[in-house]
Amino acid sequence: ILNVEQSPQSLHVQEGDSTNFTCSFPSSNFYALHWYRWETAKSPEALFVMTLNGDEKKKGRISATLNTKEGYSYLYIKGSQPEDSATYLCALNYGGSQGNLIFGKGTKLSVKP
Amino acid sequence: ETGVTQTPRHLVMGMTNKKSLKCEQHLGHNAMYWYKQSAKKPLELMFVYSLEERVENNSVPSRFSPECPNSSHLFLHLHTLQPEDSALYLCASSRYRDSSYEQYFGPGTRLTVT
Repeated sequence: ILNVEQSPQSLHVQEGDSTNFTCSFPSSNFYALHWYRWETAKSPEALFVMTLNGDEKKKGRISATLNTKEGYSYLYIKGSQPEDSATYLCALNYGGSQGNLIFGKGTKLSVKP
Repeated sequence: ETGVTQTPRHLVMGMTNKKSLKCEQHLGHNAMYWYKQSAKKPLELMFVYSLEERVENNSVPSRFSPECPNSSHLFLHLHTLQPEDSALYLCASSRYRDSSYEQYFGPGTRLTVT
């Protein structure tokens, strides 16, 4: 059974702090890694799709890195803002049909003004 | 807005009821998915449809019955559910991007079985 682990489970930071969290996955079953941002009562929103070892992607103040050999990805948020408060999900595409994803439980980020 | 809509957003049903969840995507994607999220668990894939054919059924009980009449619509028919089926049910559709299938999600239906 493939397992995707995210840590920490929750995180509370002050506005302006930079933060990061981790996604771990079995490196032997890697095809792609997806990051999503999920605000309460809204749809999960795709942030990044990462496929190559050493990939680094950036979207505004959010960036992500990927290490497929050791099986982890980091998500970084620079200068957190209250609107960054959400649950951040990572999901492993292990190469199943139609890119079936296995999700982690997410990291819930709360940014206090 | 992601281009994927779900109705209803909230549903309360008894164990003997029959109800259906509806999902519609306006993105021109040809794959659609049903996920379940129970409390303190990750999103779990239930069903995958590609070009209106079911390609995956993740050992889901038969009291959940999916239907995909065309590439834009996906239904989940519910009958004789159990209280433990109470959860958030999310629909998604996907496109191929950056060597993977990027999934676009709807806002979900919060289901309570009484």
